[in-house]
Amino acid sequence: RKEVEQDPGPFNVPEGATVAFNCTYSNSASQSFFWYRQDCRKEPKLLMSVYSSGNEDGRFTAQLNRASQYISLLIRDSKLSDSATYLCVVIPFSGGYNKLIFGAGTRLAVHP
Amino acid sequence: ETGVTQSPTHLIKTRGQQVTLRCSSQSGHNTVSWYQQALGQGPQFIFQYYREEENGRGNFPPRFSGLQFPNYSSELNVNALELDDSALYLCASSLDPANNEQYFGPGTRLTVT
Repeated sequence: RKEVEQDPGPFNVPEGATVAFNCTYSNSASQSFFWYRQDCRKEPKLLMSVYSSGNEDGRFTAQLNRASQYISLLIRDSKLSDSATYLCVVIPFSGGYNKLIFGAGTRLAVHP
Repeated sequence: ETGVTQSPTHLIKTRGQQVTLRCSSQSGHNTVSWYQQALGQGPQFIFQYYREEENGRGNFPPRFSGLQFPNYSSELNVNALELDDSALYLCASSLDPANNEQYFGPGTRLTVT
């Protein structure tokens, strides 16, 4: 079983739609959680951190459910510029260093 | 932009050869991590360098090695290249090993033929 699993998509949505991505992780001792965004042939860029209390940044809302080992990302009012691959990232407790464990990513395509 | 730079941008090597990739961390960041991203996959952790020493390592063979210099820049060396080493190699810097936020450079795309 992969440490971080995501639905690869693609999710094809019209502009203005609301879309949700899910991610599950296997290591219950994981300590930190993030969503990164990666455009085609570019580097991953930090989108937002994920907390149990949930956090919101404009049109983006992220949520963590530790009991179910489940992370979500909600994008409201999708824009063409949101088209990208969204990577779920988990940091397990490693004792002295932090390594990012990435999912394979979920591809989003927003069309006019 | 993150301020993390990598060179070269692209590289083509032959199986069995050796390659060195370079990374300059963001100003103020003393920790550098390296990741390998194969096509269609998420990045995989290779190792992390802090205070010029390897601070943690993923599931990569010893032919993957690295260095960190006093100015916190870093090199990734891969010996005896294999076809499966073809990938995007990403460097990420962070304030220190305990800091969770890592910022990536643009990557080096390595093709092994």
